[in-house]
Amino acid sequence: NAGVTQTPKFRILKIGQSMTLQCTQDMNHNYMYWYRQDPGMGLKLIYYSVGAGITDKGEVPNGYNVSRSTTEDFPLRLELAAPSQTSVYFCASSYLVLRSSYEQYFGPGTRLTVT
Amino acid sequence: DQQVKQNSPSLSVQEGRISILNCDYTNSMFDYFLWYKKYPAEGPTFLISISSIKDKNEDGRFTVFLNKSAKHLSLHIVPSQPGDSAVYFCAASVNTGGFKTIFGAGTRLFVKA
Repeated sequence: NAGVTQTPKFRILKIGQSMTLQCTQDMNHNYMYWYRQDPGMGLKLIYYSVGAGITDKGEVPNGYNVSRSTTEDFPLRLELAAPSQTSVYFCASSYLVLRSSYEQYFGPGTRLTVT
Repeated sequence: DQQVKQNSPSLSVQEGRISILNCDYTNSMFDYFLWYKKYPAEGPTFLISISSIKDKNEDGRFTVFLNKSAKHLSLHIVPSQPGDSAVYFCAASVNTGGFKTIFGAGTRLFVKA
């Protein structure tokens, strides 16, 4: 049971390039999330998904796209990288149970630098 | 608009003493509050949570207190250990049909041996 895995761990992009951050979970969780963490800040929700085929915007969705074709995978796409997207990106998953605490399981993160 | 605030960026405590981390929130619709712990180069890990209908939840050395009237919660770690040195994030969740979790900026805890 690997939990939540993310690839790559590190990436440097030039302005205007595109890339996909991969996220996979093997816990059969229905909810998945993408966050970004800027220095000295908390985690900001980019997009989330409540199940395969269903996604919705979080607090900071501009410049990103997501898809959820399977329960396990939730890739995050950056189409035109900008320096403002330099951040650490975390993928997370959770299993929604009524009256649960909504705890999320996080991947190790992807450190992205755009120059 | 910061809905979840952790006003202390860092805290230093002697090993064996109590660590108290504080968190304030503004949205009265939050129904669960959580604490996550994060080591460098790792993702956050869930530590403890509390429902909005309770005022205390305890798990071993960790206790979370919720004061709804003051919109304030705190995490107590007793006794503190050097391995507790990490960044602690306060988070609050609300079910809006999907649900969303808002995180505070974190407090870095140093436990000195």
